[in-house]
Amino acid sequence: NAGVMQNPRHLVRRRGQEARLRCSPMKGHSHVYWYRQLPEEGLKFMVYLQKENIIDESGMPKERFSAEFPKEGPSILRIQQVVRGDSAAYFCASSPTMNTEAFFGQGTRLTVV
Amino acid sequence: GQQVMQIPQYQHVQEGEDFTTYCNSSTTLSNIQWYKQRPGGHPVFLIQLVKSGEVKKQKRLTFQFGEAKKNSSLHITATQTTDVGTYFCAGRGDNFNKFYFGSGTKLNVKP
Repeated sequence: NAGVMQNPRHLVRRRGQEARLRCSPMKGHSHVYWYRQLPEEGLKFMVYLQKENIIDESGMPKERFSAEFPKEGPSILRIQQVVRGDSAAYFCASSPTMNTEAFFGQGTRLTVV
Repeated sequence: GQQVMQIPQYQHVQEGEDFTTYCNSSTTLSNIQWYKQRPGGHPVFLIQLVKSGEVKKQKRLTFQFGEAKKNSSLHITATQTTDVGTYFCAGRGDNFNKFYFGSGTKLNVKP
């Protein structure tokens, strides 16, 4: 059973470009969470999805950021028109139910130049 | 809103010394989880506490959940260099559908 897979591991984008971050949850997990982590800081909740539904997006910036978890395929975190402040590590986690341990992927390190 | 505070932010210890990190919530938690993140790595689940006053042990690690379910602690006895990393607590309130992470305690162990 493969763990949570995130790709790419590293992503470099110029200001104004779009960034697409992918997350394939563990087999059998229908709950997906996205977190952002700045260097030397904690994990900031962004969005919680459950197959095809956004359950909680209270941590998502109102503009430029969107997330989806389609019926087939990975969950996608999309950042449009990236700015330098978007540079961070983005972690995805999955769990089989809401109240159990979350398994984290290795993260995508986004650098905006 | 829901907040989970964690102290200290950093802790430097000599190998063999003990280490404790504390997690406090502004509201009652239904459960709390602890994670460890090694430098450059991703968070890895350590344990979940659910019951008031619960104490769980994993080798040299002892986890406690307060009686009021508003605070928790992680204690490491006789630290080793392999304990280096950042320890996060994550609490979930009764009315919330996600876990709120504390800011983490970064542990450095000098050999």
